[in-house]
Amino acid sequence: EIVLTQSPGTLSLSPGERATLSCRASQTVSSLYLTWFQQKPGQAPRLLIYGAYSRATGIPDRFSGSGSGTDFTLTISRLEPEDFAVYYCQHYATPPYTFGQGTKLEIK
Amino acid sequence: QVQLQESGPGLVKPSQTLSLTCTVSSVSISSGYYWTWIRQHPGKGLEWIGYIYYSGSTYYNPSLQSRVTISINTSENQFSLKLSSVTAADTAVYYCARDKRLDYWGQGTLVTVSS
Repeated sequence: EIVLTQSPGTLSLSPGERATLSCRASQTVSSLYLTWFQQKPGQAPRLLIYGAYSRATGIPDRFSGSGSGTDFTLTISRLEPEDFAVYYCQHYATPPYTFGQGTKLEIK
Repeated sequence: QVQLQESGPGLVKPSQTLSLTCTVSSVSISSGYYWTWIRQHPGKGLEWIGYIYYSGSTYYNPSLQSRVTISINTSENQFSLKLSSVTAADTAVYYCARDKRLDYWGQGTLVTVSS
């Protein structure tokens, strides 16, 4: 089973700042099978990034994904108030597919 | 717009079987996707339960494999989850989602295991 470790656990930033979230895999994951989700309280997760780099439909271009191998990054270039939420990475390379434990992005 | 909706009892007694159904709209469940169940314990992260392919083949998380069954009903455009011998540790919000990429999700349904 591939273990995904996200850091930091909590990130405190202000609107307008840049956010950088990390996801590290316990073994190499093809970029094709790495996704990022955003979850707000009381809501289902929403797909943000798939294939490590590609934005899902309707996702603003301030969200970008990068990385390869075992290290992946989600970057939010300029934080908007609605971006404060919990973010999860996930892989679907080989089952069981697993999620990271999440990074909570909170307003400073 | 693809929509998924979970339904089923919100309260299940310990040792009984949890049964949920996901109804899919605006896309045929036979159109070649994987159909997935995920759960989230209260205040915790996401746990992948398993999937069923439109052909009926399945894969379950080894941590739950002995208790999980996912089935598909193409005539009703639905797929279902059964989790047997539940305990309080199975109390969670259960989500259904489309495909391995999880591009569309249901709103989730809270299932509480309690006597």
